[in-house]
Amino acid sequence: DQQVKQNSPSLSVQEGRISILNCDYTNSMFDYFLWYKKYPAEGPTFLISISSIKDKNEDGRFTVFLNKSAKHLSLHIVPSQPGDSAVYFCAASVGGGDYKLSFGAGTTVTVRA
Amino acid sequence: ETGVTQSPTHLIKTRGQQVTLRCSSQSGHNTVSWYQQALGQGPQFIFQYYREEENGRGNFPPRFSGLQFPNYSSELNVNALELDDSALYLCASSSRRAYNEQFFGPGTRLTVL
Repeated sequence: DQQVKQNSPSLSVQEGRISILNCDYTNSMFDYFLWYKKYPAEGPTFLISISSIKDKNEDGRFTVFLNKSAKHLSLHIVPSQPGDSAVYFCAASVGGGDYKLSFGAGTTVTVRA
Repeated sequence: ETGVTQSPTHLIKTRGQQVTLRCSSQSGHNTVSWYQQALGQGPQFIFQYYREEENGRGNFPPRFSGLQFPNYSSELNVNALELDDSALYLCASSSRRAYNEQFFGPGTRLTVL
């Protein structure tokens, strides 16, 4: 049962523009959400997280928005850079980021020069 | 600060064999989690170890087992390998004190023939 879904397998964006990645979840017990970035032949790297008590968290070019009523979160990358080309995973947990993570299938982002 | 390391990088086994994968956690981390990432999917939680005790398990059969050692390094053992066990196996470490994200290693690519 896939509790975290990323419905867009891929996203292509021009350098300097905004990248918007979406993620939906079904388990209402999830209270902590994370975004990871993965390059080929490397493990996922933590990008940004948000607790369910917030609806927005910002870190430099990365902003995560959480809509609990819709069970939806999104990651905004502004401006997009060529180094942002990677696979992005949305993950969710109950009780904090160091517990069991449930991942989406990932979205491959390609930033065009 | 040393990150999460895994060995071996790649491994080829035949169906029915047994395999042991190893993980060294990041310095200061006392929790290790294992994930299986099949091609085109997000990582799936196998189990987590905290202070040498299993602390949560995903939907994997008992032939998947693990250990955590006093230095917090860990092993994942898989018995009676099946073709579907072919995947990238990721280890992640975290610190319960930080209530924070998990840090992933580069993974072990297992191929079962």
